[in-house]
This record gives sequence, structure tokens and C-alpha cells, in this order.
Amino acid sequence: EAGVAQSPRYKIIEKRQSVAFWCNPISGHATLYWYQQILGQGPKLLIQFQNNGVVDDSQLPKDRFSAERLKGVDSTLKIQPAKLEDSAVYLCASSTGSSSFEKLFFGSGTQLSVL
Amino acid sequence: GDSVTQMEGPVTLSEEAFLTINCTYTATGYPSLFWYVQYPGEGLQLLLKATKADDKGSNKGFEATYRKETTSFHLEKGSVQVSDSAVYFCGSWGSARQLTFGSGTQLTVLP
Repeated sequence: EAGVAQSPRYKIIEKRQSVAFWCNPISGHATLYWYQQILGQGPKLLIQFQNNGVVDDSQLPKDRFSAERLKGVDSTLKIQPAKLEDSAVYLCASSTGSSSFEKLFFGSGTQLSVL
Repeated sequence: GDSVTQMEGPVTLSEEAFLTINCTYTATGYPSLFWYVQYPGEGLQLLLKATKADDKGSNKGFEATYRKETTSFHLEKGSVQVSDSAVYFCGSWGSARQLTFGSGTQLTVLP
């Protein structure tokens, strides 16, 4: 079974530039999550999709972050413009459903450095 | 809101030593509890889980028991191996209907 695919693996940009991350979840998984993991902290949920609809985006900084999941499959997370504090690993995860019993499958993440 | 507090690392042990990584949670009601592990260069993987009080989750020699009275879910292993070196994350899924993680504990096992 193919896992959650993310690209790019690493990205270095200057502040005020824009950047986009891509995620392809496991086939058939209805729920997709984007997490932000700052060095030394646990992953923090940014946004959760159920198919192509947003379930929870309460912690997404909407003035600069946006995400979409067209056709309910792969997803893109964008930051525009980036700030120094956005330096983090951005993790994508997917699951078959959205209950507390679901196992989340994580990708390897995209490490973003904002200079 | 929900929160998870983990024992701070890093933790360094010799092979075959006993491991405990402490985890406590704050949540409304009775959340489901998880341990995820992140090996170098890989994504987080579910290690074990427990969904109600007194449940014991176990996998690969690791165990954790859901203790409602102490709001804890400590991870234990009787004899660690070098291959257990990784970052361990405690997590809870409660009324917020999202997985909330602790800050992670880096474990290094020396041969």
C-alpha cells in the first residue's frame, strides 16, 4: 500500500515570498489533515478536510495560509507571504474517516526554512 | 481546550534498559489516547492506542495504560533496543474532535 506522499521534501525561501506544499493521501482515504510542527513542539493541526470540504480550519492563519483539496483527493497548502515564524515541518496525514478510533497515516513532511 | 504534557527529553538509555515516558492529558470527558512514533526521516506512525479507562494498548513490546484517576498514559517498554531510537509523541482525541499532540520525547538507545 502506497503511503502519504508529500513534496517537496525541503524548501528554503526568503520572508515575504510565497510557497506551496503538495500532498497525495492514501487512496480511498476521505479525511486529510495538514499539521505544522515547529522545532521542539508537537504537531499542531492547521486544517482538516473531509472529502473536498473543510471540517476544521480554526487554527489556520487565514490572512496568509490557504489550503484546498479539489476533487477530494490531493491537497495543496500555500503560504503567502511567508514570515520567519513559519519555519517548521508541514505534515500531511490521511485517514479513512474522522472519528477518534481512526488511525492517521502521516507523510514524511516538508521542511520549510524562511530566511 | 485539550492538551497533552509529555516528559521532556532527550532520553538516553543503554540497550535492554527499562523505558518510561510520562504523558498526562487535560480534556473534557474521556478522550481516546495514542502514542505515535517518528523514526529518523520518516512520518509519524501509530504505535498504540487506548479508547477508554483502564484499557491497555500494546505493540512491539511497548505498553501504555489509560489511567483516568491520574489522567495519564505513560509509555513503557521492558527492554529497549537500538532500533527503538526515535521521537515519541503522546496524543489525545477528545471533545475538540482533533488529535492533539504533546511536544515529543527524543529517545536514543546506545548499544
